[in-house]
Amino acid sequence: EVQLVESGGGLVQPGGSLRLSCAASGFTFSNYAMHWVRQAPGKGPESLSAISSDGGSTFYANSVKGRFTVSRDDSKNTLYLQMGSLRADDMAVYYCARFSTPYIATAGTLDYWGQGTLVTVSS
Amino acid sequence: QSALTQPASVSGSPGQSITISCTGTSSDVGGYNYVSWYQRHPGKAPKLLIYEVSNRPSGVSNRFSGSKSGNTASLTISGLQAEDEADYYCSSYTSSSLLGVFGGGTKLTVL
Repeated sequence: EVQLVESGGGLVQPGGSLRLSCAASGFTFSNYAMHWVRQAPGKGPESLSAISSDGGSTFYANSVKGRFTVSRDDSKNTLYLQMGSLRADDMAVYYCARFSTPYIATAGTLDYWGQGTLVTVSS
Repeated sequence: QSALTQPASVSGSPGQSITISCTGTSSDVGGYNYVSWYQRHPGKAPKLLIYEVSNRPSGVSNRFSGSKSGNTASLTISGLQAEDEADYYCSSYTSSSLLGVFGGGTKLTVL
């Protein structure tokens, strides 16, 4: 059974940093590209970043470019999102999701998602 | 504001059918057959219901079906059940971003 479990969310002050993790199991993690998607209260989901199966290609939404960094450790079957310079509008539930292909520059589907971890940005 | 437009809410009685629309442009929904639909119950992981416009992953009930006409995709749920009460989201491949685009979501209420 495919499982994705996010962790690392919590309360952080504006301007602060946080690292999210996503532990994957039930599939060959190194064969799939992965995404981070967030959903703010009352809004639709927004995909923030993607990383290819080999980690060699990454892509970011304009809203987080330069502030967030996605990475993966295939030896630990874990995806990461390092978040910096956090702002109030970064407050959301953050999900990791498996992409249906190894590549990020192709069309595909986010076929499995985790339950999400809540990030609250407040002083 | 989300890139794809969905109605904020729909409702139906048990046994009825409902349809949720998802309107985009020729740069996303209308231009590619990579529309997906997701179901999310509160506090749970979003679940893929439909991919590539009309395909169901294994294990998804055949009460869920997808279609597309022009720039609008649709999700139809037939034989409504109480457990179908949830939020539903569409997404699409887009020529303007490798990350795809999502709809704002539709809350389904089963009366």
